[in-house]
Amino acid sequence: RKEVEQDPGPFNVPEGATVAFNCTYSNSASQSFFWYRQDCRKEPKLLMSVYSSGNEDGRFTAQLNRASQYISLLIRDSKLSDSATYLCVVRGGADGLTFGKGTHLIIQP
Amino acid sequence: SAVISQKPSRDICQRGTSLTIQCQVDSQVTMMFWYRQQPGQSLTLIATANQGSEATYESGFVIDKFPISRPNLTFSTLTVSNMSPEDSSIYLCSVEPLDRATSTDTQYFGPGTRLTVL
Repeated sequence: RKEVEQDPGPFNVPEGATVAFNCTYSNSASQSFFWYRQDCRKEPKLLMSVYSSGNEDGRFTAQLNRASQYISLLIRDSKLSDSATYLCVVRGGADGLTFGKGTHLIIQP
Repeated sequence: SAVISQKPSRDICQRGTSLTIQCQVDSQVTMMFWYRQQPGQSLTLIATANQGSEATYESGFVIDKFPISRPNLTFSTLTVSNMSPEDSSIYLCSVEPLDRATSTDTQYFGPGTRLTVL
């Protein structure tokens, strides 16, 4: 069983629309959760951390459901510049990160 | 966030040779890690680079193949030894900031080293 699973997409979404991604994780002891964004041929960059209470950063909202072991990311009013691969990332402790394979998002004009 | 540089940014190597990748951070960091991203795949953790002691390797990665050094809190190297075409990948270092009081426990990534083995 994969540790972090995501729908690879691609998600083709018109500009201005709202899009949501989910991911599930298998390690119930996981402590920290993140969404990273990776543009083509670039390194991953932190988009936002995910907290149990849910958190929002501008057009982006992240939520965590520990009981069901899934994490979500909602993007409102999508922009062309939001086109990227979104990586769901989990951390179990004082060690490295476990990455999902990513969800590919394409915003169309 | 910390500014991270890697050298070389890319290289093309012959099979059987070795390549050492350097990672330099502009500030002291507690943790440094090395990841690999193979074509079309997500990132996989290779090892945690421990300052002053041997690196901690993940399952499937061994010191003889990927020796790592970390002489201080701002620098680490990863060597890819006796390379084969299967080692063609992007190798990324990441760091966790020293001041956890003002930073989340996340990691920041270097720009990566794109390695092609012929």
